[in-house]
Amino acid sequence: DGGITQSPKYLFRKEGQNVTLSCEQNLNHDAMYWYRQDPGQGLRLIYYSQIVNDFQKGDIAEGYSVSREKKESFPLTVTSAQKNPTAFYLCASMGDRTEAFFGQGTRLTVV
Amino acid sequence: EDQVTQSPEALRLQEGESSSLNCSYTVSGLRGLFWYRQDPGKGPEFLFTLYSAGEEKEKERLKATLTKKESFLHITAPKPEDSATYLCAVHPYAGGTSYGKLTFGQGTILTVHP
Repeated sequence: DGGITQSPKYLFRKEGQNVTLSCEQNLNHDAMYWYRQDPGQGLRLIYYSQIVNDFQKGDIAEGYSVSREKKESFPLTVTSAQKNPTAFYLCASMGDRTEAFFGQGTRLTVV
Repeated sequence: EDQVTQSPEALRLQEGESSSLNCSYTVSGLRGLFWYRQDPGKGPEFLFTLYSAGEEKEKERLKATLTKKESFLHITAPKPEDSATYLCAVHPYAGGTSYGKLTFGQGTILTVHP
Protein backbone atom coordinates (compact mmCIF):
# COMPACT_ATOMS: atom_id res chain seq x y z
CA ASP A 1 0.00 0.00 0.00
CA GLY A 2 1.34 3.41 -0.97
CA GLY A 3 1.21 6.10 1.61
CA ILE A 4 2.93 8.46 3.98
CA THR A 5 3.96 7.40 7.47
CA GLN A 6 4.76 9.61 10.42
CA SER A 7 6.34 8.39 13.63
CA PRO A 8 6.02 8.42 16.50
CA LYS A 9 2.35 9.20 17.02
CA TYR A 10 3.05 10.78 20.41
CA LEU A 11 6.32 12.39 21.53
CA PHE A 12 7.33 14.02 24.76
CA ARG A 13 10.19 16.50 24.96
CA LYS A 14 11.97 17.87 27.98
CA GLU A 15 12.93 21.49 28.14
CA GLY A 16 16.16 22.14 26.21
CA GLN A 17 16.03 18.92 24.24
CA ASN A 18 16.08 18.46 20.47
CA VAL A 19 13.67 15.90 19.06
CA THR A 20 13.27 14.50 15.55
CA LEU A 21 9.98 13.59 13.91
CA SER A 22 10.04 11.04 11.13
CA CYS A 23 8.18 11.24 7.81
CA GLU A 24 8.49 8.56 5.13
CA GLN A 25 6.58 8.21 1.85
CA ASN A 26 6.52 5.47 -0.76
CA LEU A 27 4.44 7.38 -3.31
CA ASN A 28 7.48 8.50 -5.34
CA HIS A 29 6.47 12.11 -4.75
CA ASP A 30 9.00 14.88 -5.33
CA ALA A 31 7.58 17.47 -2.90
CA MET A 32 7.26 17.07 0.85
CA TYR A 33 5.92 19.48 3.45
CA TRP A 34 5.88 19.94 7.22
CA TYR A 35 3.03 21.76 8.93
CA ARG A 36 2.25 22.70 12.49
CA GLN A 37 -1.32 22.76 13.81
CA ASP A 38 -2.34 24.33 17.11
CA PRO A 39 -5.74 23.66 18.74
CA GLY A 40 -8.59 25.12 16.70
CA GLN A 41 -6.15 26.45 14.11
CA GLY A 42 -5.36 25.74 10.50
CA LEU A 43 -2.07 24.40 9.16
CA ARG A 44 1.01 26.61 9.20
CA LEU A 45 3.91 25.74 6.91
CA ILE A 46 7.27 25.08 8.58
CA TYR A 47 9.48 23.80 5.75
CA TYR A 48 9.03 22.25 2.35
CA SER A 49 11.23 20.41 -0.11
CA GLN A 50 10.79 19.99 -3.83
CA ILE A 51 13.81 17.83 -4.54
CA VAL A 52 16.45 15.81 -2.73
CA ASN A 53 19.09 17.92 -0.96
CA ASP A 54 17.02 21.09 -1.29
CA PHE A 55 14.43 22.69 0.99
CA GLN A 56 12.86 26.07 1.66
CA LYS A 57 11.63 27.82 4.79
CA GLY A 58 7.94 28.19 5.27
CA ASP A 59 6.14 30.78 7.35
CA ILE A 60 7.26 29.58 10.80
CA ALA A 61 10.69 27.97 10.30
CA GLU A 62 12.42 29.48 13.35
CA GLY A 63 13.42 26.79 15.86
CA TYR A 64 13.06 23.94 13.34
CA SER A 65 15.43 22.19 10.96
CA VAL A 66 14.98 19.60 8.21
CA SER A 67 16.99 17.43 5.84
CA ARG A 68 16.16 15.70 2.56
CA GLU A 69 18.88 13.16 1.89
CA LYS A 70 16.51 10.66 0.27
CA LYS A 71 13.41 11.21 -1.85
CA GLU A 72 11.36 9.06 0.52
CA SER A 73 12.32 10.78 3.77
CA PHE A 74 11.92 14.29 5.20
CA PRO A 75 12.64 14.34 8.96
CA LEU A 76 11.88 17.41 11.06
CA THR A 77 13.99 18.36 14.09
CA VAL A 78 12.40 20.55 16.72
CA THR A 79 15.31 22.31 18.38
CA SER A 80 15.63 23.83 21.84
CA ALA A 81 15.34 27.23 20.14
CA GLN A 82 11.65 26.56 19.50
CA LYS A 83 10.10 28.08 22.61
CA ASN A 84 6.59 26.76 22.22
CA PRO A 85 6.86 23.38 20.50
CA THR A 86 3.74 21.72 21.90
CA ALA A 87 1.54 21.13 18.83
CA PHE A 88 0.29 18.61 16.30
CA TYR A 89 2.76 18.14 13.44
CA LEU A 90 1.67 16.99 10.00
CA CYS A 91 3.79 15.83 7.07
CA ALA A 92 2.53 15.78 3.50
CA SER A 93 3.82 14.78 0.09
CA MET A 94 2.76 15.83 -3.37
CA GLY A 95 3.47 14.55 -6.85
CA ASP A 96 3.00 16.07 -10.26
CA ARG A 97 -0.72 16.71 -10.85
CA THR A 98 -1.75 15.18 -7.52
CA GLU A 99 -3.20 16.50 -4.32
CA ALA A 100 -1.16 16.55 -1.13
CA PHE A 101 -1.30 13.32 0.85
CA PHE A 102 -0.99 13.59 4.61
CA GLY A 103 0.35 11.36 7.32
CA GLN A 104 -1.57 10.78 10.54
CA GLY A 105 0.44 13.30 12.50
CA THR A 106 2.72 13.44 15.53
CA ARG A 107 1.54 15.08 18.73
CA LEU A 108 4.50 16.68 20.51
CA THR A 109 4.22 17.70 24.14
CA VAL A 110 6.79 19.50 26.26
CA VAL A 111 7.07 18.06 29.77
CA GLU B 1 1.98 36.49 -0.68
CA ASP B 2 -0.74 33.87 -0.99
CA GLN B 3 -3.63 34.23 1.45
CA VAL B 4 -6.54 31.94 2.27
CA THR B 5 -9.45 32.95 4.52
CA GLN B 6 -12.21 30.56 5.50
CA SER B 7 -15.61 31.47 6.92
CA PRO B 8 -17.37 30.92 9.15
CA GLU B 9 -14.90 29.72 11.79
CA ALA B 10 -17.55 27.40 13.19
CA LEU B 11 -20.93 26.26 11.92
CA ARG B 12 -23.61 24.35 13.77
CA LEU B 13 -26.35 22.70 11.72
CA GLN B 14 -29.28 20.45 12.40
CA GLU B 15 -29.30 17.18 10.54
CA GLY B 16 -30.78 17.84 7.09
CA GLU B 17 -30.12 21.59 7.20
CA SER B 18 -28.10 22.48 4.09
CA SER B 19 -25.45 25.20 4.13
CA SER B 20 -22.20 26.42 2.55
CA LEU B 21 -18.63 27.01 3.69
CA ASN B 22 -16.56 29.76 2.09
CA CYS B 23 -12.89 29.89 1.13
CA SER B 24 -11.62 33.25 -0.16
CA TYR B 25 -8.15 33.31 -1.64
CA THR B 26 -5.50 35.59 -3.09
CA VAL B 27 -2.83 33.99 -5.22
CA SER B 28 -0.71 35.23 -8.10
CA GLY B 29 -1.58 32.26 -10.25
CA LEU B 30 -3.69 29.29 -9.18
CA ARG B 31 -2.52 25.81 -10.05
CA GLY B 32 -5.16 24.18 -7.90
CA LEU B 33 -7.45 24.64 -4.91
CA PHE B 34 -7.89 21.71 -2.54
CA TRP B 35 -10.59 20.86 -0.02
CA TYR B 36 -9.83 18.52 2.88
CA ARG B 37 -11.78 17.07 5.78
CA GLN B 38 -10.01 16.61 9.13
CA ASP B 39 -11.26 14.60 12.09
CA PRO B 40 -9.85 15.32 15.58
CA GLY B 41 -6.35 13.93 16.06
CA LYS B 42 -6.07 12.74 12.45
CA GLY B 43 -4.38 13.94 9.29
CA PRO B 44 -6.47 15.77 6.67
CA GLU B 45 -8.36 13.59 4.21
CA PHE B 46 -8.56 14.76 0.61
CA LEU B 47 -11.97 15.69 -0.79
CA PHE B 48 -11.63 17.71 -4.01
CA THR B 49 -9.26 19.54 -6.34
CA LEU B 50 -10.54 22.45 -8.42
CA TYR B 51 -8.41 23.94 -11.16
CA SER B 52 -10.32 26.71 -12.93
CA ALA B 53 -13.16 29.14 -12.37
CA GLY B 54 -16.54 27.62 -13.07
CA GLU B 55 -15.45 24.11 -12.17
CA GLU B 56 -17.67 22.04 -9.86
CA LYS B 57 -17.13 18.65 -8.23
CA GLU B 58 -19.47 16.49 -6.18
CA LYS B 59 -19.11 13.64 -3.75
CA GLU B 60 -22.10 12.29 -1.84
CA ARG B 61 -23.56 15.26 0.10
CA LEU B 62 -20.68 17.60 -0.76
CA LYS B 63 -20.28 19.89 -3.75
CA ALA B 64 -17.33 22.21 -4.32
CA THR B 65 -17.36 25.20 -6.65
CA LEU B 66 -14.70 27.70 -7.72
CA THR B 67 -14.62 31.30 -8.88
CA LYS B 68 -11.58 33.52 -9.47
CA LYS B 69 -11.66 34.75 -5.87
CA GLU B 70 -13.38 32.11 -3.79
CA SER B 71 -14.53 28.56 -3.44
CA PHE B 72 -17.62 27.18 -1.76
CA LEU B 73 -18.21 23.81 -0.19
CA HIS B 74 -21.93 23.14 -0.24
CA ILE B 75 -23.28 20.53 2.15
CA THR B 76 -26.71 19.16 1.29
CA ALA B 77 -28.82 17.47 3.95
CA PRO B 78 -25.86 16.89 6.29
CA LYS B 79 -25.66 14.02 8.74
CA PRO B 80 -23.91 13.90 12.13
CA GLU B 81 -21.04 11.95 10.54
CA ASP B 82 -20.25 15.01 8.41
CA SER B 83 -19.08 16.77 11.58
CA ALA B 84 -15.39 17.63 11.12
CA THR B 85 -13.06 20.51 10.33
CA TYR B 86 -13.03 21.43 6.65
CA LEU B 87 -9.83 22.96 5.28
CA CYS B 88 -9.10 24.58 1.96
CA ALA B 89 -5.66 25.18 0.48
CA VAL B 90 -4.24 26.94 -2.56
CA HIS B 91 -1.42 25.61 -4.67
CA PRO B 92 0.13 28.37 -6.78
CA TYR B 93 2.08 28.25 -9.99
CA ALA B 94 5.73 28.38 -8.95
CA GLY B 95 7.41 28.37 -12.33
CA GLY B 96 8.71 25.46 -14.38
CA THR B 97 8.50 22.19 -12.52
CA SER B 98 8.53 23.80 -9.08
CA TYR B 99 5.79 22.74 -6.68
CA GLY B 100 5.77 25.83 -4.50
CA LYS B 101 4.08 26.45 -1.19
CA LEU B 102 0.75 24.93 -0.27
CA THR B 103 -1.13 27.50 1.86
CA PHE B 104 -4.06 26.52 4.07
CA GLY B 105 -6.91 28.49 5.55
CA GLN B 106 -7.82 28.36 9.23
CA GLY B 107 -10.59 25.85 8.64
CA THR B 108 -14.31 25.72 9.41
CA ILE B 109 -15.41 23.50 12.30
CA LEU B 110 -18.71 21.92 11.29
CA THR B 111 -20.99 20.32 13.86
CA VAL B 112 -24.15 18.55 12.73
CA HIS B 113 -26.67 17.77 15.45
CA PRO B 114 -29.08 14.84 15.12
